[in-house]
Amino acid sequence: KAGVTQTPRYLIKTRGQQVTLSCSPISGHRSVSWYQQTPGQGLQFLFEYFSETQRNKGNFPGRFSGRQFSNSRSEMNVSTLELGDSALYLCASRPDRGRETQYFGPGTRLLVL
Amino acid sequence: SQQGEEDPQALSIQEGENATMNCSYKTSINNLQWYRQNSGRGLVHLILIRSNEREKHSGRLRVTLDTSKKSSSLLITASRAADTASYFCATEIQGGSEKLVFGKGMKLTVNP
Repeated sequence: KAGVTQTPRYLIKTRGQQVTLSCSPISGHRSVSWYQQTPGQGLQFLFEYFSETQRNKGNFPGRFSGRQFSNSRSEMNVSTLELGDSALYLCASRPDRGRETQYFGPGTRLLVL
Repeated sequence: SQQGEEDPQALSIQEGENATMNCSYKTSINNLQWYRQNSGRGLVHLILIRSNEREKHSGRLRVTLDTSKKSSSLLITASRAADTASYFCATEIQGGSEKLVFGKGMKLTVNP
């Protein structure tokens, strides 16, 4: 099976802009989680979607939003970008059985100038 | 805030030596997992240990869990240069809706 894919891999934006990141989970996985990784804060949980419904949400401002489509693909949107949003954004999917293990994509590196 | 904290934060060893990483956490957990990350790429799941388990093995990896001390250790035996990476412990907190909380990670360098 193909792994988790994320697009784009790299992105440069300026403050105030918005950005949409995409994640395609492993075939058959209905759960998709998003994480932000920065040198200062480490890996922080953003949100998790399962069958198009948000199951969990981390402590991020409302500028961070997401959605999941019927084919389990997920998008994450950040509006009104700030310099501090520069990070590696990681997506992970997990199967319905053996749900404890998450399978991560390669990430999207976002640089906000 | 971080649930887990890895110790040491960085470790440099020679090929063939063993590497031990420790993780401490704060609240009750369902399981604890270790992940590896190479140079800012995605994370790779290494091993999972449940709260009712004390030790698990997978190839060159051995993980232990002491729930009374809220700590875990990951041992990599006979290390290789390819083991050079950052290692993260992650905990699934009890009553936390299966959310994983990661530590800040530990950088392991294995010198050939």
